[in-house]
Amino acid sequence: DIQMTQSPSTLSASVGDRVTITCRASHSISAWLAWYQQKPGKAPKLLIYKASSLQSGVPSRFSGSGSGTDFTLTISSLQPDDVATYYCQQYNGYSRTFGQGTKVEIK
Amino acid sequence: EVQLVESGGGLVKPGGSLRLSCVGSGFTFSKAWVSWVRQASGQGLEWVGLMQSEGDGGTTDYAAPVKGRFTISRDDSKNTLFLQMNSLKIEDTGVYYCVTDILGPAASWGQGTLVTVSS
Repeated sequence: DIQMTQSPSTLSASVGDRVTITCRASHSISAWLAWYQQKPGKAPKLLIYKASSLQSGVPSRFSGSGSGTDFTLTISSLQPDDVATYYCQQYNGYSRTFGQGTKVEIK
Repeated sequence: EVQLVESGGGLVKPGGSLRLSCVGSGFTFSKAWVSWVRQASGQGLEWVGLMQSEGDGGTTDYAAPVKGRFTISRDDSKNTLFLQMNSLKIEDTGVYYCVTDILGPAASWGQGTLVTVSS
């Protein structure tokens, strides 16, 4: 099984800061990686698919990059509405795996 | 609008069984790959298993912690996905979400159904 390691587990930044979350796969997954945002009490929301493609309706301050085993989610200018937990997920083949999550807070 | 509605959650004793259902609407259910994802209280997301569309082969795959105990099946005539859970353990407690890839990888989620395994 492919393991996904996400870091950091918690991140505190100021409004307007550039924020970066990383995700590392235990084996190459090409670009089969997605990023999700989850707010308390809600189902997760797809932000990025195929490593760097922005899902329709998602603000352009969110971007993704990477391929193979190393991936990054960037928020170019953190907004109060971005307070949430973020997860990566690999979808290489039938099996899927989530990262452990990164909780983003406002400083 | 894509909608997924889960049901069947509840309280069950360790070693017991439960069957969850997920009814889909607003899309061609028979063409969708559908997964179950769970989340224990205050914890992260855990992928449970997936079933391909029958047209793509109907293959299922499961996460290691549930393999051999959980079974996913579907009834496309009723737009319904099932999760049969046997030999339940305390660590299976959590909210179970039905998720489809129809609009992108795990782009559409149900509201979830709570499963509590406790004596």
